[in-house]
Amino acid sequence: KNEVEQSPQNLTAQEGEFITINCSYSVGISALHWLQQHPGGGIVSLFMLSSGKKKHGRLIATINIQEKHSSLHITASHPRDSAVYICAVRSKGGTSYGKLTFGQGTILTVHP
Amino acid sequence: GAGVSQSPSNKVTEKGKDVELRCDPISGHTALYWYRQRLGQGLEFLIYFQGNSAPDKSGLPSDRFSAERTGESVSTLTIQRTQQEDSAVYLCASSLRGRDEKLFFGSGTQLSVL
Repeated sequence: KNEVEQSPQNLTAQEGEFITINCSYSVGISALHWLQQHPGGGIVSLFMLSSGKKKHGRLIATINIQEKHSSLHITASHPRDSAVYICAVRSKGGTSYGKLTFGQGTILTVHP
Repeated sequence: GAGVSQSPSNKVTEKGKDVELRCDPISGHTALYWYRQRLGQGLEFLIYFQGNSAPDKSGLPSDRFSAERTGESVSTLTIQRTQQEDSAVYLCASSLRGRDEKLFFGSGTQLSVL
């Protein structure tokens, strides 16, 4: 079992729909990142969370430390939201301070 | 500069040759990361630099891989005696202070080993 699991792996939506992408992890973490990767490879950091909830525009990210779970929500989805969404965690403690463990990504396609 | 800059954007090399990939982080960012993404796979951590501390090399896959960073500026990732399995996109990211800080990614170097 991977340390970071995302669901669903693929998600297709119609423009305007509310979207949720889930991330579960199995280790204690100090931080969780949500990243967006567009076709062509460019990666953008959306959120970095250690607790609670963050909002930026139409994007909302939540994390439940006790349940080892995070969700990324997109309200009023748009075709330009089509991308791969990646969850990554930094394990708590240890000496590998730089290491992020990545989920396999969720491929989102939003149709007009 | 305005963002993280990587060069070259594409590199094609023959098996057995050495390659150098360059990353210019955002000015003032003390933390610098190298990641690798093979075709159809997720991101893999390679190495992390934080200021003048010893780098975290725990993700380097073999001793053919090495990286250097001059102070808090440019970093070079070197792959010696390249193999076909080294073909991947090599991504660099930087952050202001490291650890739990927002990451800023470069556009990557697509390495193809023939």
